[in-house]
Amino acid sequence: DAGITQSPRHKVTETGTPVTLRCHQTENHRYMYWYRQDPGHGLRLIHYSYGVKDTDKGEVSDGYSVSRSKTEDFLLTLESATSSQTSVYFCAISELGAGYTFGSGTRLTVV
Amino acid sequence: AQSVTQLDSQVPVFEEAPVELRCNYSSSVSVYLFWYVQYPNQGLQLLLKYLSGSTLVESINGFEAEFNKSQTSFHLRKPSVHISDTAEYFCAVSERNSGNTPLVFGKGTRLSVIA
Repeated sequence: DAGITQSPRHKVTETGTPVTLRCHQTENHRYMYWYRQDPGHGLRLIHYSYGVKDTDKGEVSDGYSVSRSKTEDFLLTLESATSSQTSVYFCAISELGAGYTFGSGTRLTVV
Repeated sequence: AQSVTQLDSQVPVFEEAPVELRCNYSSSVSVYLFWYVQYPNQGLQLLLKYLSGSTLVESINGFEAEFNKSQTSFHLRKPSVHISDTAEYFCAVSERNSGNTPLVFGKGTRLSVIA
């Protein structure tokens, strides 16, 4: 979607390696979120941020960390990737009164 | 905390027939309600939302949803579906008047429109 981009779009990595996914926004929205989507589970919240350096855990945060050093970027890191982290990852942004906007997703495969 | 239940994981329907996708939610506080649509290999697009006011909300492509507080439901309906409506539909909630709390999603309903 315009104003929010995720990179990379696709990634294949090996078990045990670290992986970082990037979410970049140009909307200057305060709130940013990382979700993972898996068949039969819908979207589940991993971590979210309510400002620079302000983050909190979501429902499925184990094995993931995040960082937000500036408003426009929200990074999701898998410290040591496992096969259970094979998923499609979506970033979202929101601001009071502006609703939620989702990125196009990153398809991550851990082999 | 909120939770969302989408009662049907898959709904097959013939073209031009009506469809209802069911969504129930649970929350101890007032909520905002949303329906998102995801076409194959794409991201999520907002279909419609209930924030306040009229309990019946409509989308530009003929879908409508009605907020029913007593039944804690927000079912999505369309009187006549098209092949192009084939997609996965997600119901979501967030807390009202609490800043921008994260959306909580249901598990999704896959709508398949059959010619």
